Amino acid sequence: SQTIHQWPATLVQPVGSPLSLECTVEGTSNPNLYWYRQAAGRGLQLLFYSVGIGQISSEVPQNLSASRPQDRQFILSSKKLLLSDSGFYLCAWSVGVTPFSYNEQFFGPGTRLTVL
Amino acid sequence: AQTVTQSQPEMSVQEAETVTLSCTYDTSENNYYLFWYKQPPSRQMILVIRQEAYKQQNATENRFSVNFQKAAKSFSLKISDSQLGDTAMYFCAFVPPSGYSTLTFGKGTMLLVSP
Repeated sequence: SQTIHQWPATLVQPVGSPLSLECTVEGTSNPNLYWYRQAAGRGLQLLFYSVGIGQISSEVPQNLSASRPQDRQFILSSKKLLLSDSGFYLCAWSVGVTPFSYNEQFFGPGTRLTVL
Repeated sequence: AQTVTQSQPEMSVQEAETVTLSCTYDTSENNYYLFWYKQPPSRQMILVIRQEAYKQQNATENRFSVNFQKAAKSFSLKISDSQLGDTAMYFCAFVPPSGYSTLTFGKGTMLLVSP
């Protein structure tokens, strides 16, 4: 069966510090991968998606970047965190030729990031 | 661009009762997919039910069913025989069927099931 992992589970970082959040998927090959942010009292906002190694699409301009160095690894990064980067970050995966076609997205447990 | 609106920030229901969560959306697409996701206090997002717009029959998954009104662009979730474990944030989501389009979520409805 497939599983998705995220770490760390929680993170407190000072403003201006770098960020690296990691997501890995097991039990499937060539998944589509996604990073979402959930701010307090708001829904999920898609930040990035990837259909293959080295292929990253950004949905919103921001202080963050994403990379996919391996088939089942997706990393969210920042060089300098802002207060507004605080939130709950969710990684998800799906199968399918295109990211948002017919298939369910499966979510990881999330990372709560607090920027002070 | 697509938008998804959930007009009920919070709802309460007693155990064993039925509750309906509302969702409306706006799109120029004719074919698309709609989802309800559940996010319990553990924060793990779980798919509850999905509906394909070209299917007129409303989707059903055990105690969960939807009322899909395509012309009205409405997609409500009905939870029958509510259980304490149904307490969660519920998100309505929309996605077109092809291409690399954005999966759009509503802001969510917090459902509290009380004994």
